[in-house]
Amino acid sequence: TQLLEQSPQFLSIQEGENLTVYCNSSSVFSSLQWYRQEPGEGPVLLVTVVTGGEVKKLKRLTFQFGDARKDSSLHITAAQPGDTGLYLCAHRDDKIIFGKGTRLHILP
Amino acid sequence: DAEITQSPRHKITETGRQVTLACHQTWNHNNMFWYRQDLGHGLRLIHYSYGVQDTNKGEVSDGYSVSRSNTEDLPLTLESAASSQTSVYFCASSGDLNTEAFFGQGTRLTVV
Repeated sequence: TQLLEQSPQFLSIQEGENLTVYCNSSSVFSSLQWYRQEPGEGPVLLVTVVTGGEVKKLKRLTFQFGDARKDSSLHITAAQPGDTGLYLCAHRDDKIIFGKGTRLHILP
Repeated sequence: DAEITQSPRHKITETGRQVTLACHQTWNHNNMFWYRQDLGHGLRLIHYSYGVQDTNKGEVSDGYSVSRSNTEDLPLTLESAASSQTSVYFCASSGDLNTEAFFGQGTRLTVV
């Protein structure tokens, strides 16, 4: 099993601040996915990154896949209370393996 | 619209009872997955299926079984419920590699 380590586990910041969360592994991945999960709901896909060095933007969210395809980061610009949730990275091959997630809380 | 639904949303059962959680998807996806989610452990894979009559064990499969008799359904059975199986269970389905997985809303199971 290829282990995905996410950091930090918890993050609480003020509205308007910027933040970055990380997903790291010692293994090389063909792709990584990021999901967001809100309380009482299942995870929802945000993005899939496939190419080493790839950067994808989703409004104020920027996702980067490391050059060596072992790690990924999610940067949020000007965080808003609606960004609150559990952010999960996942490796997708024949099955989907998740990291433990970063629980993000944005204070208004 | 296509969807994936889990039932029941909440269940309380007694230790030793057999329990079945339902998962039904209308995406016509071949791949279906069952996870449990616990604080400090994230989402852990229980069983998964690539198609009708195919089932595979995940990392925490002990005490659980699944069957895939059609494309739409992957029921999860707890043979003899234990308190350690108190958790929130999520079902998901997806198409091919690198495609999006769609999750149900979860079933909160309490074993007393």
